[in-house]
Parts: sequence; structure tokens; C-alpha cells
Amino acid sequence: QVQLQQSGAELAKPGTSVKLSCKASGYTFTSYYIYWVKQRPGQGLEWIGYIYPGNGGTYYSEKFKGKATFTADTSSSTAYMLLGSLTPEDSAYYFCARRGVGTLGFAYWGQGTLVTVSS
Amino acid sequence: DIVMTQSPTSMSISVGDRVTMNCKASQNVGSNVDWYQQKTGQSPKLLIYKASNRYTGVPDRFTGSGSGTDFTFTISNMQAEDLAVYYCMQSNSYPYTFGAGTKLELK
Repeated sequence: QVQLQQSGAELAKPGTSVKLSCKASGYTFTSYYIYWVKQRPGQGLEWIGYIYPGNGGTYYSEKFKGKATFTADTSSSTAYMLLGSLTPEDSAYYFCARRGVGTLGFAYWGQGTLVTVSS
Repeated sequence: DIVMTQSPTSMSISVGDRVTMNCKASQNVGSNVDWYQQKTGQSPKLLIYKASNRYTGVPDRFTGSGSGTDFTFTISNMQAEDLAVYYCMQSNSYPYTFGAGTKLELK
């Protein structure tokens, strides 16, 4: 079965970076886009962008250009998101997600990674 | 970017109620709207894709409709386990965008 397993919670200082991971299993990793979504505690969902592991192609929402960087390691079926120049506004849950077969909807989600930025 | 205006922000409901919420897109998105349910402490869950298609295993009390700029999501017979926040999302063009959510609370 399709699973997306995300890395554990991160506590980081302002101005530093964190690299989050999303390990995929149960399907051909290079065949599906991995999407990333941000959610500040108690707030709504915010679409960050995607990476296509098949060719490494990426897309970033304008707001996250320069903030987020996506990479993928096909040998380990793992997608990564590097968040740089952290500020308290980056404190949030970050989810990875994948579309279902035959649907544009995000049918599969990781459990989320909580990033806390604090000095 | 396409703005998805979701209403209402919250609803106080009773078990057995019929619940309806709306999403209005700032431009034509065809039928490319999905609806998600998010319970406290959980990841979102896909309920409806392409405006009106129920995802695998989703109970038939959940329905979606609409096209173009106006979309509706309905729970026909509200159950206690349906208490959650519901989000619409347009997947017509990048960047995909979510509505702000509708929170269902018990009356």
C-alpha cells in the first residue's frame, strides 16, 4: 500500500535551515509528483509546490521561492524539502502528499512534520 | 493566483443535520476542485475530487457539485465522526490554492 513517512519534529533557531524528508513506499517513486503543504497550528492549508522525482522538475508557489528547496533521492524513494533562513513564521506542520491514481486529488498524505523556530 | 473563497467559516450543527458549504473561485477552474476533511491532529483526507467524484471508500452522505467558479459540498446526514474542518482546493492551475476552511462544531 502507498505510504508516505515523514521525518520527526524539528526545533531550529532563527536564521538556520532544516531539511525535512518524505519517504515513499508501495509504488514507483519516479512516477508521481510529491507535493508539499504548510499548515501553521490552528490555521489553514497552504500549498508550497511540488517535485517530480522522475526528472527532478520542481515548481514553487511564489511565496515560497527562496524559502523552500525540493530534492529527491530515487535510490531511497525519498523526497526532501529544505527550508532556509528560518523565521518564527516558518513554525508549522509540513505535509507531503501524492495524487491518487486517476484523480487530481491528494489521496495520500504523510503524517506531517512539525517545525518550531525559536531562539 | 486563484483565490478560493470558502463559506461559512464555521457552522454549529447537530447529528442528523444536512450540512452545506461553498467555495467560490476567483476565476474559472472548470471541475478541478477537491474537498478534504481534516480532523484535529490528523493529516487531511481526500473526500471529493473533480468537484463531484467521491473518492474510494468515502461514504455516500458526502457529495460535491459545481463547475466554473461555484462549488458546493454537502453532508446529507451529519454524523458525530464528521466533526472536522473541511477545505476546498483548486487543482486547475498552479499554484494550487486552498480555501480557508469550514469548521463544523456541535451545537
